Amino acid sequence: KAGVTQTPRYLIKTRGQQVTLSCSPISGHRSVSWYQQTPGQGLQFLFEYFSETQRNKGNFPGRFSGRQFSNSRSEMNVSTLELGDSALYLCASSLTGNDEKLFFGSGTQLSVL
Amino acid sequence: GDSVTQMEGPVTLSEEAFLTINCTYTATGYPSLFWYVQYPGEGLQLLLKATKADDKGSNKGFEATYRKETTSFHLEKGSVQVSDSAVYFCALSETSYDKVIFGPGTSLSVIP
Repeated sequence: KAGVTQTPRYLIKTRGQQVTLSCSPISGHRSVSWYQQTPGQGLQFLFEYFSETQRNKGNFPGRFSGRQFSNSRSEMNVSTLELGDSALYLCASSLTGNDEKLFFGSGTQLSVL
Repeated sequence: GDSVTQMEGPVTLSEEAFLTINCTYTATGYPSLFWYVQYPGEGLQLLLKATKADDKGSNKGFEATYRKETTSFHLEKGSVQVSDSAVYFCALSETSYDKVIFGPGTSLSVIP
């Protein structure tokens, strides 16, 4: 069974641009959640989607958004990039999102210059 | 709000040494507790979990016991190997919908 796939693996953008990250969950998993990992703040929860609906959201500005498609694949978008958005963005999937084991992808490393 | 505190390290041990990584948490209810591990260049992997007080999670020689009275979930291994070198994250989940609160991570290096 293929694991959680995130693309691209690396991204370099400049301030003010926008970026879209993609996540394909494990087959059969319907919940996808996103985390931001930085050396200073550690791992922080961004949001979670199930059946195309956002069910939970962390404390991030509205520039961070996401969506989920009918095949459970998810995208995360960051608009008007800031230097502080440089981070490793991790996607995780689970069957239902209810207190289960999370399966993480390898992440997308975003650098904002 | 909920939070997780753990020793940040880095921790450097010789092969076959005993490992303890301390983890304490703050939560309003009765969370599930986890240890995740991140090997270099890889995503996080669940190492073990415990869902209620006095539960012991174990995997690959690692163990952690859910101590409600001390709000702790310390990770232990009797004899570490070089291949255990990684970053270890203590975490909790109190609500549904996969909102997991992670500690800052503890970097472990095991030298031969």
